[in-house]
Amino acid sequence: DTGVSQDPRHKITKRGQNVTFRCDPISEHNRLYWYRQTLGQGPEFLTYFQNEAQLEKSRLLSDRFSAERPKGSFSTLEIQRTEQGDSAMYLCASSSLAGVFGQPGHNEQFFGPGTRLTVL
Amino acid sequence: AQSVSQHNHHVILSEAASLELGCNYSYGGTVNLFWYVQYPGQHLQLLLKYFSGDPLVKGIKGFEAEFIKSKFSFNLRKPSVQWSDTAEYFCAVNPGGYGGSQGNLIFGKGTKLSVKP
Repeated sequence: DTGVSQDPRHKITKRGQNVTFRCDPISEHNRLYWYRQTLGQGPEFLTYFQNEAQLEKSRLLSDRFSAERPKGSFSTLEIQRTEQGDSAMYLCASSSLAGVFGQPGHNEQFFGPGTRLTVL
Repeated sequence: AQSVSQHNHHVILSEAASLELGCNYSYGGTVNLFWYVQYPGQHLQLLLKYFSGDPLVKGIKGFEAEFIKSKFSFNLRKPSVQWSDTAEYFCAVNPGGYGGSQGNLIFGKGTKLSVKP
């Protein structure tokens, strides 16, 4: 399977603990995104990387959240001192800046299966 | 603030009925537009996309969408739904259009479609 993969698929933790999620994008994609989805809502943007550079962060990304993409391949999202309000599905997506025929791509994003976090 | 509105939270149809799901966005500039689908137990999948050109775009599984710039709308349609179309449908906008100057997608809240056999 050459799609976006995420690990773990489910995580149950106690309030106050730290958790880390991993995302492996489609191999040739240089952009990687993190979103959060809660019940009844669409995905909400958290942050994105172009290669190893973190280019944008949402105001949703509090100082307890940190994301890295050290070698421009896989990425990790860490949440420190988890709170019950952090319970959500955390989605990763990737896209390619490169389109066809030398034109820029159109940011078509491909999503992984998500990591469902439950904070007790 | 940029936002995407999906007018229907839950739509229930019988098989063979026609479908139209509304999507409006608030952004005055060029946009890329997407519809994603999430089948039960599966991850988000791209259904169709609009970047430029013909405002009527066709996607997978017989779905199509029409971009009406003057109405800031990108409604999803299917002439005849099947039970297997039961899923949640999300409209998404990438402000900035060609080249994607703004990286993230802005999603609507989704519309749950239930098709009765």
